[in-house]
Parts: sequence; C-alpha cells; structure tokens
Amino acid sequence: EPEVTQTPSHQVTQMGQEVILRCVPISNHLYFYWYRQILGQKVEFLVSFYNNEISEKSEIFDDQFSVERPDGSNFTLKIRSTKLEDSAMYFCASKGDTQYFGPGTRLTVL
Amino acid sequence: QKEVEQNSGPLSVPEGAIASLNCTYSDRGSQSFFWYRQYSGKSPELIMFIYSNGDKEDGRFTAQLNKASQYVSLLIRDSQPSDSATYLCAVSQGGSEKLVFGKGTKLTVNP
Repeated sequence: EPEVTQTPSHQVTQMGQEVILRCVPISNHLYFYWYRQILGQKVEFLVSFYNNEISEKSEIFDDQFSVERPDGSNFTLKIRSTKLEDSAMYFCASKGDTQYFGPGTRLTVL
Repeated sequence: QKEVEQNSGPLSVPEGAIASLNCTYSDRGSQSFFWYRQYSGKSPELIMFIYSNGDKEDGRFTAQLNKASQYVSLLIRDSQPSDSATYLCAVSQGGSEKLVFGKGTKLTVNP
C-alpha cells in the first residue's frame, strides 16, 4: 500500500541554523500539506501546496518558512533560522480521497 | 477562529465495552469530518471520515454526524487494549482544504 515517507525521522539543530525536512508524497496525489505538533499540543496546519504553488498558509507559516517541490517526487519544508519554539513533530500529508500523513520528523532546536 | 473541541480525557473503558468519543466544531461551513488515531510519538492514522448527517459504520467503528448541532462522535464497539491511543477529531471545509484538529481524547482500554 502506498504511503507518505519523511526524512529524517529526527533532526537536532542549533538555534539559528537552517533545516530542510523532506517528504515523498503518495505518487498520484496532487495536494500536499505540512502540519506540526508541539509536544502535548494539537496538530496545527502550516501550509498547503498544489500545482507548484502555495494554496493556503497559516499565521505560523511566516517568512522563515518555505516549501518547495524540487522534482517530481520530493516536497520539502525549509526553516531558515530555527528558534527554540520550532521544536516539534512536523508531519507531511498528501491528499487523494483524503489526507494521509507521513510518519513525521521530530525537530529539536537547542 | 475555527475551533474543534474534544474532551481531553483520559477516557478509560474495560475491554469489550463501547468507547464513545465526542467532538464539537465552530465553523458551520465545515463539510468533511475525520477521526484519526494517534499512538504516542506517532503520526495521525485515519480511521474514518464522514460527510453526511447520520451514522457511518466500518467494522467496530461508527461515526455519527449532526451538522445542526455541530457535533461529531466516534463509537468503538468491543474495545481492545490495542485501541488505547489518542483520538483526534479533524474538520475541513471540504475539497483540498486544510484540516483543523481538536486536541484529542486519550482512550485507555483496560484488559
């Protein structure tokens, strides 16, 4: 059964550093999403992406965030200058009949 | 602000019992309703979705939707210890719209 994959599973970085989180959506899906979940809190929408452009973004998704689909398979989330409060699980999702989530990347900012 | 509210629990039921999980939402424009299961440290896993008022059954799971009351519920029959997890209610306006999640209800099924 096709599934969304994400790499790395865990990323540790220093505050102020740039990180890139990678996702491979399900191959015939056209809509892609990033969500995050701070420990003990709810899953929050960051951004949706369709036809090589952002279709919606949340207030969280400020100028330090960017997304890209650099080739036909990968979908990336870049955080330019990480802050302590960016520490969270980041989930990629892609949508066919409904949204399916990848296993997540745990980002730890020190 | 579009909100989805769930009792955080924990909800504890004995093995074999029916677990009832509830969710309310604020946006009357919501069209699609989802229940995800999340084990600790893992990603949300889709259990069921429902679009129309009424009940939808899938195996041991039944989702119920009442749009007039802005209320969604999930019933788990014959609960098993493996059902112990946090259950997330999520709502969208349909189509490709983002999901808005509740904080989840933690369910524990005791052997």
